[in-house]
Amino acid sequence: SSELTQDPAVSVALGQTVRITCQGDSLRSYYASWYQQKPGQAPVLVIYGKNNRPSGIPDRFSGSSSGNTASLTITGAQAEDEADYYCNSRDSSGNHPYWVFGGGTKLTVL
Amino acid sequence: QVQLVQSGSELKKPGASVKVSCKASGYTFTSYAMNWVRQAPGQGLEWMGWINTNTGNPTYAQGFTGRFVFSLDTSVSTAYLQISSLKAEDTAVYYCARHNRVAVNTNWFDPWGQGTLVTVSS
Repeated sequence: SSELTQDPAVSVALGQTVRITCQGDSLRSYYASWYQQKPGQAPVLVIYGKNNRPSGIPDRFSGSSSGNTASLTITGAQAEDEADYYCNSRDSSGNHPYWVFGGGTKLTVL
Repeated sequence: QVQLVQSGSELKKPGASVKVSCKASGYTFTSYAMNWVRQAPGQGLEWMGWINTNTGNPTYAQGFTGRFVFSLDTSVSTAYLQISSLKAEDTAVYYCARHNRVAVNTNWFDPWGQGTLVTVSS
């Protein structure tokens, strides 16, 4: 079982704001990174660190963290944002593996 | 530009072995660790482990010990994933992803290879 917990599915109306969350003990000490994956494609990094976007990622994507919860917010969701989103962070169990992904959130843009 | 290019799809019979390659370009290969990630059909991402590209030391996640081997050929900036004694449940897309870190608490995977589909079927 994953040590990072995500809601399996979230929906948002076109142009509205949506928050995708990731919960886990390790997030109290480590930042999450966030990945977008569209069908048939490799994952793409969208947010890392406190709130950093790689070049080419629209500024409607932002990240935040509080306690054991990291959040990815899309402000003004677009149709092309419909995808699966995964968080990743350090494994807090003390055993291998060192890194772990959340189970993923399927975002539907209505 | 920084990129990872993986080898093509493979179709293997149960019990066979497969070796997936991940060729890096656009950066100093030995300056960044390389992760391997599995995605079974219709499932999420699963971290398999990583390899220190400077020392060659691999670390395997639980569930990926024994039949899975990470290796390197630094002369051609390439990382490899070998899976032996293949089983039907090894059918998945396998990704390599460069590990980035600016602080102990700030790590991320970027870029990713395009993925290699390994199908195990008799």
